[in-house]
Amino acid sequence: GEDVEQSLFLSVREGDSSVINCTYTDSSSTYLYWYKQEPGAGLQLLTYIFSNMDMKQDQRLTVLLNKKDKHLSLRIADTQTGDSAIYFCAENPSFMDTGRRALTFGSGTRLQVQP
Amino acid sequence: EPEVTQTPSHQVTQMGQEVILRCVPISNHLYFYWYRQILGQKVEFLVSFYNNEISEKSEIFDDQFSVERPDGSNFTLKIRSTKLEDSAMYFCASSENSILRPRQETQYFGPGTRLLVL
Repeated sequence: GEDVEQSLFLSVREGDSSVINCTYTDSSSTYLYWYKQEPGAGLQLLTYIFSNMDMKQDQRLTVLLNKKDKHLSLRIADTQTGDSAIYFCAENPSFMDTGRRALTFGSGTRLQVQP
Repeated sequence: EPEVTQTPSHQVTQMGQEVILRCVPISNHLYFYWYRQILGQKVEFLVSFYNNEISEKSEIFDDQFSVERPDGSNFTLKIRSTKLEDSAMYFCASSENSILRPRQETQYFGPGTRLLVL
């Protein structure tokens, strides 16, 4: 089955860039998502990338995908204290191949931004 | 911007009782989902629902659980005879239905219902 792994914790200083990493195992075409969860809150969709893309940029966020290594990263430029949260990587196998829509989540990376 | 809403935000119940968690998906979405997150653990898929029937479910979603779309806007998760280990945050999500455009398969999550079983 699919598995998604993330490092558990990252600490950066305000103004620095943050890079959160994720690895996945599903070899079929897949959608990959980054969600943000602030304390006590729900899952906020940040961005997504399809596996036929290498990179996607959206304002301060850059997603890089290495399909060969099945490695996904989320870079947050100019990290702010408001970016402190848990960041979840999630994958969704291509439903055109599998008919499945269930997301498989990583364990989440807690980002701590120090002033 | 349209969003998924869930009620209640918190629910405390006694072991063995039944609970119903409610969700209002985004209005033009056709697929609905329930996920749960036990404290400190991964977010886990429970079930997806389309066209008034379950389209996919996980091993977690056993006979203790059921889902329903009782009207045109609500989507509910019923947990019968709750157990201590059902304590978790339960998230509802919804997505459009398109095989052509990836964005429309993106799942948008509600704020969650924190369930505590005593």
